[in-house]
Amino acid sequence: SSELTQDPAVSVALGQTVRITCQGDSLRSYYAGWYQQKPGQAPVLVIYGNNNRPSGIPDRFSGSSSGNTASLTITGARAEDEADYYCNSRDSSGNHLYVFGTGTKVTVL
Amino acid sequence: QVQLVQSGAEVKKPGASVKVSCKASGYTFSSYYMHWVRQAPGQGLEWMGQINCSGGSTSYAQKFQGRVTMTRDTSTSTVYMELSSLRSEDTAVYYCARDWIGEALDYWGQGALVTVSS
Repeated sequence: SSELTQDPAVSVALGQTVRITCQGDSLRSYYAGWYQQKPGQAPVLVIYGNNNRPSGIPDRFSGSSSGNTASLTITGARAEDEADYYCNSRDSSGNHLYVFGTGTKVTVL
Repeated sequence: QVQLVQSGAEVKKPGASVKVSCKASGYTFSSYYMHWVRQAPGQGLEWMGQINCSGGSTSYAQKFQGRVTMTRDTSTSTVYMELSSLRSEDTAVYYCARDWIGEALDYWGQGALVTVSS
């Protein structure tokens, strides 16, 4: 099965830009999705299909993908963006299996 | 509006089984797949499997093969996840989440805490 690797933690100053990366072989073939999870809450989809925002997600969230790496960028970070972020994609086996990244804790300073 | 409402918290003994439900509303139930994802305390998200809410076909993560069963009831727009032979490591919050065009999970239930303890 596939693995998706993320940095465990990153920090960003209020109003600055932070990029979170997700690496894995499955990303060469399949789209990445990104989820924001705050303590005690269910995850929320913030990016799908590598770079698409669901309705209601602020445009400071953007996504991209190249080769085996997908990225989530928060431009102009706000205090409420402090959360855990997870990527996911289909498994590289292609058998309708999925996999999540290891997660990144974003701290807004 | 789309809503996924899950059953409540459960406490089970090692070796027992648990069945968690997820009732969907606000969309055409049989037009989407549903996934199950779990999260152990202080840990990350772990994908368990999915079910086609139309035909009922399933795909499970290898880790859970033989222990998990996902079913659906189209008459009540409800999906179920049953996990057997529970052990302490299965203590987690279990989420259902709707599939979005095979690319992401767009709506999530509120989660159901399952505690396995003797």
